[in-house]
Amino acid sequence: QVQLHQSGPGLLKPSQTLSLTCVISGDSVSSNGAAWNWIRQSPSRGLEWLGRTYYRSNRSKWYNDYALSVKGRITINPDTSKNQFSLQLNSVSPDDTAVYYCAREIVLVVGGTYRYFDFWGQGTLVTVSS
Amino acid sequence: QSVLTQAPSASGTPGQRVTISCSGSNSNIGSDYVYWYQQRPGTAPKVLIHTNNQRPSGVPDRFSGSKSGTSASLAISGLRSEDEAVYYCAAWDDSLSGYIFGGGTKLTVL
Repeated sequence: QVQLHQSGPGLLKPSQTLSLTCVISGDSVSSNGAAWNWIRQSPSRGLEWLGRTYYRSNRSKWYNDYALSVKGRITINPDTSKNQFSLQLNSVSPDDTAVYYCAREIVLVVGGTYRYFDFWGQGTLVTVSS
Repeated sequence: QSVLTQAPSASGTPGQRVTISCSGSNSNIGSDYVYWYQQRPGTAPKVLIHTNNQRPSGVPDRFSGSKSGTSASLAISGLRSEDEAVYYCAAWDDSLSGYIFGGGTKLTVL
């Protein structure tokens, strides 16, 4: 059973950097059958996908995709030694106040290619306030 | 305002069949798969449907998905009280190069 456990501060001041970590158990951050995502949810913006990181051994390469809404401010990094991945969001503002989730996007190749978010972290409420 | 449009609320009585709709465009639903997630208060979303109409193991067959053009629907038959939740559609958007979600439909079981 895959489990994702999030950690990180819940209160930030404007202009600070948001840093969250998601520890993976039951799978590997380097798995070819998965991508590792960050998603946030707020009353004003709803569910918002932020980005993902994933490894593909056929290219021996890590990939990152980021939402245009946060591109330039966001970094998602894998840490293979600790089997975890992290989110950094720079220059936060009150508009970044949300519950942040990490999530596994499983990639199944059975006939076609199926992908969906199947396991989620517990969520971290991050409040940005002066 | 979400790129995928859902009605904010829906309701039904136990045993009834309800349908939740999701409207998108050619850059998302029209060109990629649709996903449906269920979220109960205080919990993370849970996948109900992937790849337009596929149920992961463990999801009851009361839940079904369909897609036509740039719209999609989630149908719930034999409505039960535990189905009361918020339902979100999702898709990959080629123009935005990322996943997008609908605004959610809050289902009330009367």
